[in-house]
Amino acid sequence: SYELTQPPSVSVSPGQTARITCSGDTLPTQYAFWYQQKPGRAPVLIIDSDKKRPSGIPERFSGSSSTTTVTLTISAVQAEDEADYYCQSTDDTGSFVVFGGGTRLSVL
Amino acid sequence: QLQLQESGPGLVKPSETLSLTCNISGGSVSSSSYYWGWVRQPPGKGLEWIGNIYYNGASRYSPPLRSRVTLGVDTSKNQFTLRLTSVTVADTAVYYCARVLVRTVALDYWGQGTLVTVAP
Repeated sequence: SYELTQPPSVSVSPGQTARITCSGDTLPTQYAFWYQQKPGRAPVLIIDSDKKRPSGIPERFSGSSSTTTVTLTISAVQAEDEADYYCQSTDDTGSFVVFGGGTRLSVL
Repeated sequence: QLQLQESGPGLVKPSETLSLTCNISGGSVSSSSYYWGWVRQPPGKGLEWIGNIYYNGASRYSPPLRSRVTLGVDTSKNQFTLRLTSVTVADTAVYYCARVLVRTVALDYWGQGTLVTVAP
């Protein structure tokens, strides 16, 4: 089965830059997406198609890709950015959805 | 503004069938631009994709769940459904419905989620 691998946790201080990685074998050919989930809430799409920011998502959130790894970068991290972040992509046919295990971002 | 709302029993007994409905407002289940999907999240754990369905009934299911899952679409009621048979305590989770872009397979709108507990 296809898998996406994320670090379980990342910690940063307010104002610093947070980087969360996601690795998977089909990422060179399939889009990746990022979701933010706060406690008790549904996930929210924050990065579409590797690097596109949906309407209403702050500019401090950005996405990039390089071969088998995609990265979510949060610049000038704020306390409100503390949340779980999930990457998502598909298998090599584009038919089956897969999520990474999630990364908890702590803002110290 | 699109809104999705899950509904169904919050408690299901082991070995029985879990059935949920997602009602769509502010959009149409018949749109050719979207799939409609289900995702679940066990308490304290990560997101797990269950499956997607298109307005014409074409569907894709997560391989581990394929033998127990059926998705459906009701265009007259503007809703789609999830059935999961032979449930166990491991199926206890928050179940989300979502809109899925055909162009990219991103899940761009989500329902608020509904907790389903499997217990005797």
